[in-house]
Amino acid sequence: DTGVSQNPRHKITKRGQNVTFRCDPISEHNRLYWYRQTLGQGPEFLTYFQNEAQLEKSRLLSDRFSAERPKGSFSTLEIQRTEQGDSAMYLCASSLGGFRGRENTEAFFGQGTRLTVV
Amino acid sequence: DQQVKQNSPSLSVQEGRISILNCDYTNSMFDYFLWYKKYPAEGPTFLISISSIKDKNEDGRFTVFLNKSAKHLSLHIVPSQPGDSAVYFCAASGGSWGKLQFGAGTQVVVTP
Repeated sequence: DTGVSQNPRHKITKRGQNVTFRCDPISEHNRLYWYRQTLGQGPEFLTYFQNEAQLEKSRLLSDRFSAERPKGSFSTLEIQRTEQGDSAMYLCASSLGGFRGRENTEAFFGQGTRLTVV
Repeated sequence: DQQVKQNSPSLSVQEGRISILNCDYTNSMFDYFLWYKKYPAEGPTFLISISSIKDKNEDGRFTVFLNKSAKHLSLHIVPSQPGDSAVYFCAASGGSWGKLQFGAGTQVVVTP
């Protein structure tokens, strides 16, 4: 399977615990995005990587959230001291972009990680 | 600040008929528009896109229309099939990073 892969698919954690999610993008894609989706809403942008550089972070991404993409391959999203309001579906997407004539291309999403904070 | 709006939360259509989903946007800097389909407990699946230099793009049963002056786009699905029952999201991006702004989605139900 050469699509975007996210692990785990589901995570239940107690309030105050730390959690980490992993995303493996499509191998040749240089761009990687994290989004968060809550019930009845569309995905909301969290952060963006161009290769290994984190180029933008949303105001939604509080200090408890950190994301990395070492070596420009897989990415991790860590949430420290989880709160019940963090319960959501966390989506990772990747795309190929920034090349002449194809500045933006379609982003492909993984199946998401469903986080439940109890 | 909701820059992409899908004002119809749901749409019911008979199998074989046309489904028309609408989307409005407010940011004139958006230059690339996409439609995604989402089943429960899965990530969004890319359907079709359109660049702002075009006003129509077609792919099989799916056609997207863009009206830049009205800041409006629509997705036509014809003929509608039961497997099309899902939530459809409109998304838009502008600038060089491809960050997407999504609408809230439209739940489509295709009835026999």
